[in-house]
Parts: sequence; C-alpha cells; structure tokens
Amino acid sequence: AQSVTQLGSHVSVSEGALVLLRCNYSSSVPPYLFWYVQYPNQGLQLLLKYTSAATLVKGINGFEAEFKKSETSFHLTKPSAHMSDAAEYFCAVSGGQAGTALIFGKGTTLSVSS
Amino acid sequence: GAGVSQTPSNKVTEKGKYVELRCDPISGHTALYWYRQSLGQGPEFLIYFQGTGAADDSGLPNDRFFAVRPEGSVSTLKIQRTERGDSAVYLCASSLVPGEAYEQYFGPGTRLTVT
Repeated sequence: AQSVTQLGSHVSVSEGALVLLRCNYSSSVPPYLFWYVQYPNQGLQLLLKYTSAATLVKGINGFEAEFKKSETSFHLTKPSAHMSDAAEYFCAVSGGQAGTALIFGKGTTLSVSS
Repeated sequence: GAGVSQTPSNKVTEKGKYVELRCDPISGHTALYWYRQSLGQGPEFLIYFQGTGAADDSGLPNDRFFAVRPEGSVSTLKIQRTERGDSAVYLCASSLVPGEAYEQYFGPGTRLTVT
C-alpha cells in the first residue's frame, strides 16, 4: 500500500532563506507524486507533480522537487522564501488502484518571518 | 472559468441529525472525489465517481456515509445520524478524466461541526 511521511509538522524560515520541506513515500509500484499548497480558507492548489518524465520537477511560484528513488524521497524546495509562501503544504502519492485516489501526508506548515 | 464549488461553506449540526454537503465540479470533468480533512491531518479519501457511478467507495468510514451523483455532474455527500467524530472539513475535487497524471482540482471545502 502507498503511504507518505512528511518530516516536520512546522517549518520556520526567514524571508529570502532556502525552503526545504521533506517528504518520503512508500509505494509498491512506480509512484506518481504531488505537492499541494493550502492557504487559509482556500482549497488545495497543485504546486507540482512527478509522473516519471523527469526526476527534477519545476512547479509554480518558484518551487521545485526532486524525485530520488534510492531515498524514496520527493522533497520540496524553493531558493528564496517570500512572505506569501506562508501556508500549509501537503505531499501526496497516487493510490495505485485505478490511479485515482490521492494519499496525503499530514502536512507541513511553513512560516516565513521578515 | 469557475472552479469547484462547495456548499455550504460551514455547517453546524446537532449529534444525531442528517446532513447533506454539495459539490459542483468544474464543467466537463468526469471524475469527482470526496475527501475528509480532520484537524491537523491531511485529506483522507472517501469516495470517487466516474460519471454517475461510484467507482471506488473504499474510503467511506461506515454505512452512515453515502454519496450520489445522479446526473454525472453535481454530487451530494450524505451523512446520517451524525456523530461528533464526523466533525471535519469535507473536500471535493474533480478532474477532467480519472488517472494519476491528471490534476485534481479542489474546492474550498465544507467545514462540518457536530455539537
């Protein structure tokens, strides 16, 4: 069965600093992996997705993630944090059955200070 | 164009009551999903529709929960005999077609509080 573990429920960075949000997955089949962002009182928005085309995936708002099969990881990074990046971030893996249901991690809240 | 909409945005009900939560997917999207997000947790899958039929309802926690999508567009999640443990944000998502590579677009959710 597929699962996702997000290390660190809360990450705090200063504006302009590197953002690193960690995600490890477990999957018995080649996974499809996703990062979503959730702003307060808004729906989840897709940041980026890995679908086996390239291991380094670039997403919106300057975020990117690298798929590392040997480490079963899909960490999310951004070189320079903005105040507007403060939100909750979820890593997800596809369910594998009919490829539809997403299995989410518990989320990481990113705080950005000036 | 319009995104996924959900009504109501907030619902407070008493224990034991019946509630209905509505989801309007993006026009033309054939796949529709319901998830439940409890406080401090990530969304958890409940049920998935392809067209009018429930293709996967393995995430429904018990028989108090069921959902319909009679015309292949709007969906209603129905909860009978609500319990305090049902309190959560219920999220709806849709995608153009089912499949891992296709993005699921999420609505803002309905916050259900059972008192």
